[in-house]
This record gives sequence, structure tokens and C-alpha cells, in this order.
Amino acid sequence: DADVTQTPRNRITKTGKRIMLECSQTKGHDRMYWYRQDPGLGLRLIYYSFDVKDINKGEISDGYSVSRQAQAKFSLSLESAIPNQTALYFCATSDPKEGTGELFFGEGSRLTVL
Amino acid sequence: AQSVTQPDIHITVSEGASLELRCNYSYGATPYLFWYVQSPGQGLQLLLKYFSGDTLVQGIKGFEAEFKRSQSSFNLRKPSVHWSDAAEYFCAVGGALPFKAAGNKLTFGGGTRVLVKP
Repeated sequence: DADVTQTPRNRITKTGKRIMLECSQTKGHDRMYWYRQDPGLGLRLIYYSFDVKDINKGEISDGYSVSRQAQAKFSLSLESAIPNQTALYFCATSDPKEGTGELFFGEGSRLTVL
Repeated sequence: AQSVTQPDIHITVSEGASLELRCNYSYGATPYLFWYVQSPGQGLQLLLKYFSGDTLVQGIKGFEAEFKRSQSSFNLRKPSVHWSDAAEYFCAVGGALPFKAAGNKLTFGGGTRVLVKP
């Protein structure tokens, strides 16, 4: 089983719908992240969490919210999806004790907003 | 602010030929540098990373990268490409300071897609 698991892997929805992407990890890492990947733009940070009580906005947080339900779970929500939120979303974790910032990624959730 | 530029959006290389992917970064202190690979339909896998010491870093799958501080570059190389190397490659920068305060926030380049010809 994957260390970082994202569900769903693929989702097609309509404009205005609420969508939740879920992430769970078995690596025991305190830090979790949500990134968005768009062609030519690489990965951009949406939100990150250092622990259950510490959640921070990344560079492109508008239109998104998150919830850290437990050390192992970090969910990303789109309250009212719009077409330009069509993208590939990645959850990642890191271990602050490791020291370099290396990220461990899930396999991605592809979201299409019609 | 930190940033990463990967000048080549696409590269096509013949199987068995050498490969070099360019990465230039901007960071105000000692950088930590990473190369990740994304195969079709997969997540990102770490190829190698630099954080101190020898500026020539060896990674998995036969890849290596060289950190050149004077050029703000961290180019990725492979002497002989295999068909399975067809993928998208991402360079990323993070840093040591203020590491513990700001956390591991990596900034990624736009990626380089590598196509391998038989």
C-alpha cells in the first residue's frame, strides 16, 4: 500500500459544486501539504500544516479550504468549484526531523470542473 | 522570494544518448535543491537532492546533478537514456533558513517533459 494515499484519484464535477479531496498517510510525518499542478506552471502550494493545530495558507489558497482531522489526515475542499480549478492535485508529507525538506507525494487526484 | 526556472519545456532524446536538464534557482541563503520525476499517471518520486558537501550528487536510476553556486544552477544529467526515462522532471528549491520557522516549503519549477525516441 502507498504511504500517502489520495482519494478520489479522478473526479469530474460541475461548476458550483462542493468537492473534497482526501489524503491519508502512514509515514508518521507531522507536516502535510496540498499542491496543485498545472501544465507549464509546475507545482504550486495551496495549503500546508505543521501539525493538527497549525494550518497555513500557501501561495494560491483563494477558493480552497483545508481540514487536518488527525496527524495522518489532511483534506482539501473546494466550496464552490469553478473551471479554472481543473488541475492535478497532490498531497505530500515531510518529516521535520529529516532536515532537508524532502517531500513524499501521493499519486495525485485529477479534478475536472465543467 | 525563492524561485526556480527550468528553461526547457520539452526535450526529445534518442535512446542511449546523453541527457541534461537545466535548472536555475533564486534563493537568498543556502539552498536545498531537489530533482523529482513524474512518470505518466504517477506521483512525484525523488531522484536526488543536494543540501551540503560534494557538489556532484548521485541519485537513483543513474542520474546525477551538479550544484554550481556561482551560476545558481542545479542541472540534472544522465549519460545514457533508457526508454523508461520518458517522464516529466521537476527541479525544486527549499532552504536551511529560516527552516525551522517557515518549514519545508519547496518551490518547484515548471517542469521539463522528456521524450525518448527509439
